[in-house]
Amino acid sequence: AQSVTQLGSHVSVSEGALVLLRCNYSSSVPPYLFWYVQYPNQGLQLLLKYTSAATLVKGINGFEAEFKKSETSFHLTKPSAHMSDAAEYFCAVSEPGGYQKVTFGTGTKLQVIP
Amino acid sequence: KAGVTQTPRYLIKTRGQQVTLSCSPISGHRSVSWYQQTPGQGLQFLFEYFSETQRNKGNFPGRFSGRQFSNSRSEMNVSTLELGDSALYLCASSFDGRAGANVLTFGAGSRLTVL
Repeated sequence: AQSVTQLGSHVSVSEGALVLLRCNYSSSVPPYLFWYVQYPNQGLQLLLKYTSAATLVKGINGFEAEFKKSETSFHLTKPSAHMSDAAEYFCAVSEPGGYQKVTFGTGTKLQVIP
Repeated sequence: KAGVTQTPRYLIKTRGQQVTLSCSPISGHRSVSWYQQTPGQGLQFLFEYFSETQRNKGNFPGRFSGRQFSNSRSEMNVSTLELGDSALYLCASSFDGRAGANVLTFGAGSRLTVL
C-alpha cells in the first residue's frame, strides 16, 4: 500500500530564506510523486511531478524537488521565499500500472514572515 | 478552457439530512475523483469514476456514494449526515485516470457544514 508522510504541519520562514518542506513516501513499487499547493478557498494546483525521469524535478514558481530512492524522500525546496508562497502544500503518491488513486499527505502550511 | 466546476460552493445541512454535490470536469476529461478534506485528516480518497463506472473506492461507509453520467459529469451523495461529515469535498478530473500519466485538476471544492 502507498502512503505519504509530511514532517511538520506548519513551517515558518522569513521572506528571502530557503523553503524546505519534507515528504517521505512508502510504496511497493517505484512510485509517481507529486507536490500540490492550495491557496485559501481554492482547490489544489500541481506544482511538480516525478514520473521516473530526472530525479531533480523543476516546477512552477521556482519550486523544485529531488527524488531520493535510498531515503524514500521527495522534499520540496525553493531558494528564496516570497510572500505569495504562503499556502498549504501537499505531497502525494500514486503507483504506476493502475488507475487514479492518489494518496495525499496531511499537508504543510507555509507561513512567510516579512 | 474552463476548469473543474463544483456546485454548490457552500452548504449547511443538519444531522440526518442528505446532500448531493456536483462536479463538471474539464472538457475531454473522462476520469473524475472525489476527495474529502478535513483539517485533521488531510485529503482522503472517496472514489474514482471513468466512463460511468466506479473503478476505485476509498475506505468510507456506504452512506457515501457517487455516480458519473455519460457526459462525464459526476455527483456524490452523502446520506444520513453526521457532524463528522463536515468537510471540504474536492473533485478532480483527469484525461483517462491512468496513474502518473496525467495529473489531477481540482475544482475549488464544496464546503459542507453539518449542524
